[in-house]
Amino acid sequence: QVQLVQSGPEVKKPGASVKVSCKASGYIFSTYGITWVRQAPGQGLEWMGWISAYNGNTMYAQKLKGRVAMSIDTSTSTAYMELRSLRSDDTAMYYCARDKSKGWPTASDHWGQGSLVTVSS
Amino acid sequence: QSVLTQPPSVSAAPGQTVTISCSGSLSNIGNNDVSWYQQFPGTAPKLLIYDNDKRPSGTPDRFSGSKSGTSATLGITGLQTGDEADYYCGSWDSRLSSEWVFGGGTKLTVL
Repeated sequence: QVQLVQSGPEVKKPGASVKVSCKASGYIFSTYGITWVRQAPGQGLEWMGWISAYNGNTMYAQKLKGRVAMSIDTSTSTAYMELRSLRSDDTAMYYCARDKSKGWPTASDHWGQGSLVTVSS
Repeated sequence: QSVLTQPPSVSAAPGQTVTISCSGSLSNIGNNDVSWYQQFPGTAPKLLIYDNDKRPSGTPDRFSGSKSGTSATLGITGLQTGDEADYYCGSWDSRLSSEWVFGGGTKLTVL
């Protein structure tokens, strides 16, 4: 069955970087995309960006451009999301999800369990 | 302020029917497909509806989606206490800074 397993919780200081991993299994990794979504405590869903596991093309939320980078390792079927220059309002649960398309962000049909990132001095 | 507008909360009794609206514009819902997600507290979202009205395997047929113009609607019939959750709509927004957008979410309470 399709599974996305994310890395564990992280505590970072303001100004630091964090890299979250998302290991996929149960499907052919390169035939789908990976979407990253975050959710601050008590808040709604925020789309961060998308990466094609087919060719590595990326699309990022305007708000995060310049601070976020998404990448893939097809040899291990793992996607990564790095967020730099962390601020306190980056404290959130970060989710990866399989996107139904490898060519364009569409709907996300399988989700990881989430990775909690806490930014605190 | 979310680009897609949802009511913060809706409520209904078990067995009844409820609808959740998602209002957007030509740059998103008006020209792109809508998907709906269900999220229980402390868990990851789950895809309920994609491409406006399609159900993934596993989504009961009590859940339905529709779209008209720049608005979309999620319908739930035969409400169950287990349907109490947060619901989010989402769509691609093809304005200058093209990106995916979510609604602010709707808390469904089954009385």
